[in-house]
Amino acid sequence: ILNVEQSPQSLHVQEGDSTNFTCSFPSSNFYALHWYRWETAKSPEALFVMTLNGDEKKKGRISATLNTKEGYSYLYIKGSQPEDSATYLCALTNDYKLSFGAGTTVTVRA
Amino acid sequence: EPEVTQTPSHQVTQMGQEVILRCVPISNHLYFYWYRQILGQKVEFLVSFYNNEISEKSEIFDDQFSVERPDGSNFTLKIRSTKLEDSAMYFCASSRQGNEKLFFGSGTQLSVL
Repeated sequence: ILNVEQSPQSLHVQEGDSTNFTCSFPSSNFYALHWYRWETAKSPEALFVMTLNGDEKKKGRISATLNTKEGYSYLYIKGSQPEDSATYLCALTNDYKLSFGAGTTVTVRA
Repeated sequence: EPEVTQTPSHQVTQMGQEVILRCVPISNHLYFYWYRQILGQKVEFLVSFYNNEISEKSEIFDDQFSVERPDGSNFTLKIRSTKLEDSAMYFCASSRQGNEKLFFGSGTQLSVL
């Protein structure tokens, strides 16, 4: 099982503010990093799959960066909206399984 | 949009009983997975399945657990003799290829009494 750490565990953001949070992982034997959004009472939904060092991906107001050499990925939310409230999971894969972090729970206050 | 479906959404069982959790992965996907989340803990990998056999399993996936793809559409997780600590939300997922994003079902909440 790969040790994937996410921080902070939770954060509160004012509507309209931007925020970011971190996923850290062992840099050796890297294969791919996944980000998922998990809203209450729903199933996790894939945001990004990232494989290359320096990779940046964007989906609407959400973007992510990847540094495989130092073993971290940042997820950014620009101009947070109440619908962004969710738990954001990152997961590392090096073959055919994902090892998940504990998640960062984001609450956007109107 | 195609989705992974799981049944039942809730399952209550007595300790020692057998349960079967059912999943219908997305039809053109080749890789299938079971994960679980015990309340307040991380999402944990149980098993991955490809080409009609287990490709990877975790230490949680002991002899009490088994998976099966009995036909071309269903993917099941069987727990032979449930324990209290098996109470969790069980998620099925599938992906088209092994290195692509996973599509998750809505989960089965298993409660072992």
